[in-house]
Amino acid sequence: QKEVEQDPGPLSVPEGAIVSLNCTYSNSAFQYFMWYRQYSRKGPELLMYTYSSGNKEDGRFTAQVDKSSKYISLFIRDSQPSDSATYLCAMSASSASKIIFGSGTRLSIRP
Amino acid sequence: EPEVTQTPSHQVTQMGQEVILRCVPISNHLYFYWYRQILGQKVEFLVSFYNNEISEKSEIFDDQFSVERPDGSNFTLKIRSTKLEDSAMYFCASRGWGTDTQYFGPGTRLTVL
Repeated sequence: QKEVEQDPGPLSVPEGAIVSLNCTYSNSAFQYFMWYRQYSRKGPELLMYTYSSGNKEDGRFTAQVDKSSKYISLFIRDSQPSDSATYLCAMSASSASKIIFGSGTRLSIRP
Repeated sequence: EPEVTQTPSHQVTQMGQEVILRCVPISNHLYFYWYRQILGQKVEFLVSFYNNEISEKSEIFDDQFSVERPDGSNFTLKIRSTKLEDSAMYFCASRGWGTDTQYFGPGTRLTVL
């Protein structure tokens, strides 16, 4: 079983739609959960960061972590064409340790 | 807003040559990392560095790789004898004391011919 699994997509939705991106993981030691956005041939850009279980909201973005199910989600409301990118889920066991990334979901928002 | 910078943006080298990839972490950050991403694959951890020592390294980070903080601002990754399979994007990241998040640079694209 892979440590972090993420549907690679691609996912194409119309502008204004709600987007749901998900990851599952197997390592129960993970405590820190992140979502990064990556444009083609660029570095990962931190979008959302959550410690342990719960929800976190930042503007149009909401991150959810369910540690009991080992499942994390990112919701994007009122999606815009500028949201088109690859979204990477990522997690780590401690703030000092390495980050384990998912394979990324390629998202396209159609105008 | 402070950011991690990396040079060069693209490096082309011949197999067997040595390359040094350079990173300037965010000022006052104390934890430094290298990751790589082979085209079409996941971002993978290579090594973490703190207090002038390697804290953790992956299986990928073998004897051909080394890291150094030669001065107060730069953090380098050296590959001694490059192989074709070293072709990838290499990302540097840094983290501040008492913070939980790593900030990534734009990457160096390494092409080994």
